[in-house]
Amino acid sequence: ETGVTQTPRHLVMGMTNKKSLKCEQHLGHNAMYWYKQSAKKPLELMFVYSLEERVENNSVPSRFSPECPNSSHLFLHLHTLQPEDSALYLCASSHRLGKYEQFFGPGTRLTVL
Amino acid sequence: GESVGLHLPTLSVQEGDNSIINCAYSNSASDYFIWYKQESGKGPQFIIDIRSNMDKRQGQRVTVLLNKTVKHLSLQIAATQPGDSAVYFCAESDFENQGGKLIFGQGTELSVKP
Repeated sequence: ETGVTQTPRHLVMGMTNKKSLKCEQHLGHNAMYWYKQSAKKPLELMFVYSLEERVENNSVPSRFSPECPNSSHLFLHLHTLQPEDSALYLCASSHRLGKYEQFFGPGTRLTVL
Repeated sequence: GESVGLHLPTLSVQEGDNSIINCAYSNSASDYFIWYKQESGKGPQFIIDIRSNMDKRQGQRVTVLLNKTVKHLSLQIAATQPGDSAVYFCAESDFENQGGKLIFGQGTELSVKP
């Protein structure tokens, strides 16, 4: 596979469930990102990792917990979410932090019931 | 605060015409700008970028213009095709102060009529 992949593509979960989103990049990049995309809103940056270290936590509620075990993989662990957390969650990667284009995955469409 | 916004939420053009999508930004320290295209059911796809030391950059059928004086960015698509129908986002970055964080605008939906 090439580029940035995300699994699952669709997820429906109850408010008491625990689930995880997975992102994998095959580009040899050193920076990875999680974004939230809600209808009628701009993309919101959630987390930034550079060389597996978190460098940005954009005031995201603790019910979202990121994990970056290596430079190719990024997870977003979800627990006790709210219906307003329903959105498209996008993963991206870039060569490194700075003035580099970010390559996006297809996203996970999350619905919280 | 910083913001990136688009003048027009929707744009409808005839196939073969040129399209111009505009974007205003408010952070005068932003030094890197990107345009993305997002088709339904897909993640954003990079189109073209420009750094603040340039005022114009051309790609294949696309041109980005940057006017730092009025903090305005535009994307021009030549000979628009049905496959260009998508939502287009501009994003800005102020690396020195914000460490490369991209701030996205709300997007403009481009609709190409055959």
